[in-house]
Amino acid sequence: AQSVTQPDIHITVSEGASLELRCNYSYGATPYLFWYVQSPGQGLQLLLKYFSGDTLVQGIKGFEAEFKRSQSSFNLRKPSVHWSDAAEYFCAVGRSGGSYIPTFGRGTSLIVHP
Amino acid sequence: DTGVSQDPRHKITKRGQNVTFRCDPISEHNRLYWYRQTLGQGPEFLTYFQNEAQLEKSRLLSDRFSAERPKGSFSTLEIQRTEQGDSAMYLCASSLGLGIKEQFFGPGTRLTVL
Repeated sequence: AQSVTQPDIHITVSEGASLELRCNYSYGATPYLFWYVQSPGQGLQLLLKYFSGDTLVQGIKGFEAEFKRSQSSFNLRKPSVHWSDAAEYFCAVGRSGGSYIPTFGRGTSLIVHP
Repeated sequence: DTGVSQDPRHKITKRGQNVTFRCDPISEHNRLYWYRQTLGQGPEFLTYFQNEAQLEKSRLLSDRFSAERPKGSFSTLEIQRTEQGDSAMYLCASSLGLGIKEQFFGPGTRLTVL
């Protein structure tokens, strides 16, 4: 069974600083990987996804993530954080075949200081 | 395209009562998913439909839970004899097509069982 670990429950950064959110996955085959963002009162929104090909994936809102098979990681990055980026971020791994139901990590709460 | 909608947004009920939630997916999306999210955790898969057929149910979905999608459009999730442990955010998502596709999430229904 697949699993996802997001080791940081909270991350605090200053506005304008760079950001990296960590995600490690466990899955026997080629994983399908996702990053979602959830703002208060909002549904989850997909930031980016990796299925195959280029291991550096560009997403919306200036986010990118890099798939590193050797480290079983899919870390999310942004070069300059805006106050509006404060939210909960979830990494997910989708199993192949059939339904492709994603398994989510517990999330990382991003706090942005002015 | 008005997005995925869920109704109600909030529900407070007493232990032992039955509750029903509704999800309206993006029109023409053939897949519909239900998730449960508790505080400090990521969404956990409950069940999903392809058109009107319920194709998979999680072990989290006890006998007190039932979901329907009678005409392949909106879906309902009913919880009978609610327990305090059912208190959570119930999320609905939809996607178009087969294979691994982006899921679009609704804002969720927050259930509080007193």
